Amino acid sequence: GQQVMQIPQYQHVQEGEDFTTYCNSSTTLSNIQWYKQRPGGHPVFLIQLVKSGEVKKQKRLTFQFGEAKKNSSLHITATQTTDVGTYFCQPGGYQKVTFGTGTKLQVIP
Amino acid sequence: EPEVTQTPSHQVTQMGQEVILRCVPISNHLYFYWYRQILGQKVEFLVSFYNNEISEKSEIFDDQFSVERPDGSNFTLKIRSTKLEDSAMYFCASTLVGAQGGEQYFGPGTRLTVT
Repeated sequence: GQQVMQIPQYQHVQEGEDFTTYCNSSTTLSNIQWYKQRPGGHPVFLIQLVKSGEVKKQKRLTFQFGEAKKNSSLHITATQTTDVGTYFCQPGGYQKVTFGTGTKLQVIP
Repeated sequence: EPEVTQTPSHQVTQMGQEVILRCVPISNHLYFYWYRQILGQKVEFLVSFYNNEISEKSEIFDDQFSVERPDGSNFTLKIRSTKLEDSAMYFCASTLVGAQGGEQYFGPGTRLTVT
């Protein structure tokens, strides 16, 4: 069946270190969205990727869509305490609306 | 900036009771969703709604659940006979374009506690 896995499930980093989360799909995606959920908050849209191999940047965040459109990554350079939260991918092209399992990021000051 | 609102922020109910969770999507949006999130777990899709009818629903969305858009602004989720395992945060979301790739705007959520 259709599955979306995110790795890692948890990540603790020292402030200033980099962080990467990966979203892997068992099938080809039409597009992918990334969301951030702060502790106690609701998911907030970050970005949408559509094209094969697409790379988009938002300040310290870099988003990439794989060439085969089956995986995506979110990379944060020089993490800050404000980056704390859970990052979810949401693949498009699935029959059912699906969110990834999420990666919970903890930044140690 | 327009936002999705949800009421109540917290609902406590006894097992077997009916609850109605309310949402006001962004006014010009066309697609509406309900999700739930059990504490510490991922966001789970329940149902999507477009043009006054359900367009998709998950396995979670069984006969105990129903959705309605009773007027031009509200979007409600009803749970007919709540179970302990229905305790979760329920998020409403809306988007201008279809779910398969549109930016979804989430409300702040309703925390449902079933005792």
